[in-house]
Amino acid sequence: GQQVMQIPQYQHVQEGEDFTTYCNSSTTLSNIQWYKQRPGGHPVFLIQLVKSGEVKKQKRLTFQFGEAKKNSSLHITATQTTDVGTYFCAGFQAGTALIFGKGTTLSVSS
Amino acid sequence: DTGVSQNPRHKITKRGQNVTFRCDPISEHNRLYWYRQTLGQGPEFLTYFQNEAQLEKSRLLSDRFSAERPKGSFSTLEIQRTEQGDSAMYLCASRLSRGDTQYFGPGTRLTVL
Repeated sequence: GQQVMQIPQYQHVQEGEDFTTYCNSSTTLSNIQWYKQRPGGHPVFLIQLVKSGEVKKQKRLTFQFGEAKKNSSLHITATQTTDVGTYFCAGFQAGTALIFGKGTTLSVSS
Repeated sequence: DTGVSQNPRHKITKRGQNVTFRCDPISEHNRLYWYRQTLGQGPEFLTYFQNEAQLEKSRLLSDRFSAERPKGSFSTLEIQRTEQGDSAMYLCASRLSRGDTQYFGPGTRLTVL
């Protein structure tokens, strides 16, 4: 079945440093979604990418969808302590099930 | 509160007991999803409803698990004869249509002793 893999599993940065997490799918995705889960919280939708090569920005966050629609990345510029959490990518399997990666847990020290 | 709500938030039970969780989606959302999340993992899809019809079930959903959405509004997830391996966070999510944002509820954390 389809698999969605994320690297790294953990990342620790100093406040102000940049952070990137990468997501790779074993199959072509119709679209990809990114979620953030704070410690003790539930996943919160960040963005959806649909088009091949698409790039979207949300303030300090930049999301990219690969040309082959099999990979994606999330880049955070100048991290802040509020960025702490686990970032998940998720892609649709044939049908309606969203398949989540295992996530990248970001910790930020000030 | 117009978000997705789940009850109870926490459930501790003994192995072999049955448990039932409830999810109330955002009112106009006709699509409802159940996921299970264990520590260090992403949410794993369990089942999906469009209105009252259960359209998709994961292989993870053994025959001890059953889900219903009788009137196309709230949904229940029942686990019979719980096992320690069922300990997890059970998340419910809803959305209006396929391309829309999926909103997660706060989850029900199940601990099976």
